[in-house]
Amino acid sequence: DTAVSQTPKYLVTQMGNDKSIKCEQNLGHDTMYWYKQDSKKFLKIMFSYNNKELIINETVPNRFSPKSPDKAHLNLHINSLELGDSAVYFCASSRKNTGSSPLHFGNGTRLTVT
Amino acid sequence: LAKTTQPISMDSYEGQEVNITCSHNNIATNDYITWYQQFPSQGPRFIIQGYKTKVTNEVASLFIPADRKSSTLSLPRVSLSDTAVYYCLVGEGTGGFKTIFGAGTRLFVKA
Repeated sequence: DTAVSQTPKYLVTQMGNDKSIKCEQNLGHDTMYWYKQDSKKFLKIMFSYNNKELIINETVPNRFSPKSPDKAHLNLHINSLELGDSAVYFCASSRKNTGSSPLHFGNGTRLTVT
Repeated sequence: LAKTTQPISMDSYEGQEVNITCSHNNIATNDYITWYQQFPSQGPRFIIQGYKTKVTNEVASLFIPADRKSSTLSLPRVSLSDTAVYYCLVGEGTGGFKTIFGAGTRLFVKA
């Protein structure tokens, strides 16, 4: 059983389209995250949800909208996709919203915008 | 947030012990030190976490001096499959925590 699973694994789309990435964790964790890893391999946090409540929103364009229907799911919807959105998007979860709770990552969604 | 500095890359040979040191001069009292490993096309994977002194698990050891301004990840007897990027992170132990990843250390293990 995959602890943190995200779909799809690959996503190729054209500029201007709207797309969604889904994430689910079966670890019973309280906190979920979205990270973006760009071509230079830097991992940047985008959003964090704790018990379905948004707690971190890091200077992300409002074309990106996370949604957490329940504690085990955190989806990412992206409107009007741009070339610069091409990256690998990682979902993660942690037991609690503290530095002592390690993150568990999914295997990423590689988004390519053409 | 405490910023971390670690070597950009390291080379080693199979069977050797590898030590990767991370500097975090402005670490705060509540901060934990956590190391992650990332293989290509995969998400980062938790390796080890510590607060002070030494921590050991089945994969690695983490050495933290008394002033906590640095930490050293020790990988015993590395194999080719340990070739990966290793990230050192320092984060608050309070609410609103956000994990900030640096550039990491690219370890290349040769046969």
